[in-house]
Amino acid sequence: AQRVTQPEKLLSVFKGAPVELKCNYSYSGSPELFWYVQYSRQRLQLLLRHISRESIKGFTADLNKGETSFHLKKPFAQEEDSAMYYCAPFGTGGFKTIFGAGTRLFVKA
Amino acid sequence: EADIYQTPRYLVIGTGKKITLECSQTMGHDKMYWYQQDPGMELHLIHYSYGVNSTEKGDLSSESTVSRIRTEHFPLTLESARPSHTSQYLCASSEYKGRSGELFFGEGSRLTVL
Repeated sequence: AQRVTQPEKLLSVFKGAPVELKCNYSYSGSPELFWYVQYSRQRLQLLLRHISRESIKGFTADLNKGETSFHLKKPFAQEEDSAMYYCAPFGTGGFKTIFGAGTRLFVKA
Repeated sequence: EADIYQTPRYLVIGTGKKITLECSQTMGHDKMYWYQQDPGMELHLIHYSYGVNSTEKGDLSSESTVSRIRTEHFPLTLESARPSHTSQYLCASSEYKGRSGELFFGEGSRLTVL
């Protein structure tokens, strides 16, 4: 069965501390992996995708196909990073995206 | 400006009423989706469409129905609302060409059934 696991519902760190949001997935085939973010009072939006191999707002994510993980990392968290983060594999076969339960990141001053 | 619009943003209705949640996009996308999200929980795909006259049920069983008569419009209907339908409903769209899987979301419709 297709499944996405984000083990932490809430992650609280101090400003300037490193942060890692974990994501493990179980998905047939070779999905594309995405991270979406929802800031307070804003709509859900794309943060980054693994095929781009880019850093967005200081965040990076490494796809580990052996461990089927796609953890999101940032070396120095900022207060404006406080938001809800969703890991989301996209199946190129069925053109469907499934979502994890999300991790709420709270960055304290 | 290209965008995806959902109406109403908030709706409180009584049990047994028929409701339609509207979703329109001006992005020229072929694929459209409806997700259901309870507070603090994951998004569940309930309906999707590849294009006009195409509709499919998602991974979460839902009593709602959808239609896709026009490319830009993907309304969701509940014939008889019940309290168990209380939730947030998110509409999204994406391109069909190539392997692009990026979803563009509307602001959501929060439904409360009393």
